[in-house]
Amino acid sequence: GAVVSQHPSRVICKSGTSVKIECRSLDFQATTMFWYRQFPKQSLMLMATSNEGSKATYEQGVEKDKFLINHASLTLSTLTVTSAHPEDSSFYICSASNGATNYGYTFGSGTRLTVV
Amino acid sequence: GDSVTQMEGPVTLSEEAFLTINCTYTATGYPSLFWYVQYPGEGLQLLLKATKADDKGSNKGFEATYRKETTSFHLEKGSVQVSDSAVYFCALRDTGNTPLVFGKGTRLSVIA
Repeated sequence: GAVVSQHPSRVICKSGTSVKIECRSLDFQATTMFWYRQFPKQSLMLMATSNEGSKATYEQGVEKDKFLINHASLTLSTLTVTSAHPEDSSFYICSASNGATNYGYTFGSGTRLTVV
Repeated sequence: GDSVTQMEGPVTLSEEAFLTINCTYTATGYPSLFWYVQYPGEGLQLLLKATKADDKGSNKGFEATYRKETTSFHLEKGSVQVSDSAVYFCALRDTGNTPLVFGKGTRLSVIA
């Protein structure tokens, strides 16, 4: 079945530094990638939607200059948290779609980011 | 806009008990419906799905039926196991290549 590889699974960084999270679709072309954020014991909050080769569309309240999304190829999308602060600590999950209708998107395994 | 409402947790059951997690939805179109499962520290895994009214999705002993008349997609399992302990999310996807809309999740704990 479809697999999305997300790395790193855990990262600890200092305040003010940037962290890049990668999501790769291993056996299908991810025409669309969705990036979510999940706070402890809460549901997933959609941050942005990116289509390959286009600028990402951000949800209201999500700072596009802070959460940089790149989707330059059909198999790779990255989320960079710039100038991270402790409030950015969270669980980030990507989800990929190959554009087919009636399809349950494939999720990455998530990245636990801790900013100290 | 579209929304999903699922029963609040946590739910604690003994092994071999019957499980029901209620899920209802609001959508303007004819969405596809999904149940995802999240084990501790992991991403989401698709458990089952249904794409049209009266469809029944099933997997690993879990099942859910798409009920258009009641706008529901309740998750059931006849006999839960300790390994079923996880958080379960009900979700919908409207037509097209649109993001999933999730419920808040229901944490299930199964004790031996």
